[in-house]
Amino acid sequence: QKEVEQNSGPLSVPEGAIASLNCTYSDRGSQSFFWYRQYSGKSPELIMFIYSNGDKEDGRFTAQLNKASQYVSLLIRDSQPSDSATYLCAAVYGNNRLAFGKGNQVVVIP
Amino acid sequence: GAVVSQHPSRVICKSGTSVKIECRSLDFQATTMFWYRQFPKKSLMLMATSNEGSKATYEQGVEKDKFLINHASLTLSTLTVTSAHPEDSSFYICSARYEARYSYEQYFGPGTRLTVT
Repeated sequence: QKEVEQNSGPLSVPEGAIASLNCTYSDRGSQSFFWYRQYSGKSPELIMFIYSNGDKEDGRFTAQLNKASQYVSLLIRDSQPSDSATYLCAAVYGNNRLAFGKGNQVVVIP
Repeated sequence: GAVVSQHPSRVICKSGTSVKIECRSLDFQATTMFWYRQFPKKSLMLMATSNEGSKATYEQGVEKDKFLINHASLTLSTLTVTSAHPEDSSFYICSARYEARYSYEQYFGPGTRLTVT
């Protein structure tokens, strides 16, 4: 069973603050990881992917990967109301399939 | 780049009828597409992997005779829900695998909301 865990409940952050999201995965063989943003009633939108240990920055987003701990995180700096959404963590497993976590809801408070 | 379209965006059908959903990669070729289903407030569940020129690979518990998948070309995959029932009502989303030189990602279509009455 390929599992991706996102256990935090809804996250409320004030506008301009940093939102921090965490994700763990069960398949040690997974090499590629993705963060998607999903607005209510819409399909997921890819915002970050990371393959190597360490940090990867793209604009206000930073993804962090620690393969030894099987841990992926996403930081959103200078949070904006438009960042309010559900964020899905995904890991690639056999035959390039994605296993998704349940998602973390982020609410940015103006 | 990497745009995926889906049609229709919404469909309402009567129980027992069949519905076809199209998924197209608009600006890239996709040898592999994926079909997901998402129930309200739940995560995405992979239904099947669609490979151009070969039979789809279905996930455990997904009936291949009920959810027919055809990957007719490098830019088009279709999902047909046969003999639909109310419990098939869901948000169906396709994705296409984009293969860049050093990476690959999956890009999602906008989804199709199916309601079976």
